[in-house]
Amino acid sequence: GAVVSQHPSWVICKSGTSVKIECRSLDFQATTMFWYRQFPKQSLMLMATSNEGSKATYEQGVEKDKFLINHASLTLSTLTVTSAHPEDSSFYICSARGGTAVYSNQPQHFGDGTRLSIL
Amino acid sequence: AQKVTQAQTEISVVEKEDVTLDCVYETRDTTYYLFWYKQPPSGELVFLIRRNSFDEQNEISGRYSWNFQKSTSSFNFTITASQVVDSAVYFCALSGGGSNYKLTFGKGTLLTVNP
Repeated sequence: GAVVSQHPSWVICKSGTSVKIECRSLDFQATTMFWYRQFPKQSLMLMATSNEGSKATYEQGVEKDKFLINHASLTLSTLTVTSAHPEDSSFYICSARGGTAVYSNQPQHFGDGTRLSIL
Repeated sequence: AQKVTQAQTEISVVEKEDVTLDCVYETRDTTYYLFWYKQPPSGELVFLIRRNSFDEQNEISGRYSWNFQKSTSSFNFTITASQVVDSAVYFCALSGGGSNYKLTFGKGTLLTVNP
């Protein structure tokens, strides 16, 4: 149980392109989804927290207009990297957390990540 | 503010050795949760354990065991009889209680198990 699917797993695209990454909870309803970024040999840094049906909450230093997050249903959240540039190249990981309340203490379950390379 | 420290950046052992990964945390919350995740070279994060702050019982799951000590704010992870497949980066993480359920990750420990 608690499977999170992230798609695509690998993206290579040209600078200036917008890239959409999907995160789906397959066997549970995700009240909250999280988006992380991980640079090589570094830890995961939280980018934003998204609750179903409301606007995402971004961490300090994360550009809202650059990283668009949508959480339109209890099983799907998307991250769109707009007008991507080489410095946006990174490993992006989503996680999903179940529970009936916004502030659930259920553990986060992670997707397999998306390796984004901008040429 | 919450903080997780994994002082060991890299550990290298020979197969069948036991290895302990250290994790020290800081939080002002009285209710909090501690986690360990494994990240193999393929990149996915694998959930290993969650422990709440009121449960100091040690846990054993096969070759894995965890030692939670509130007195020293530590949540150490031991792999017994390590195997090559255990090679991965291991992250310790902390989330608070109340309205703060965001995960704070340590920097991770790269474990290499050599045959």
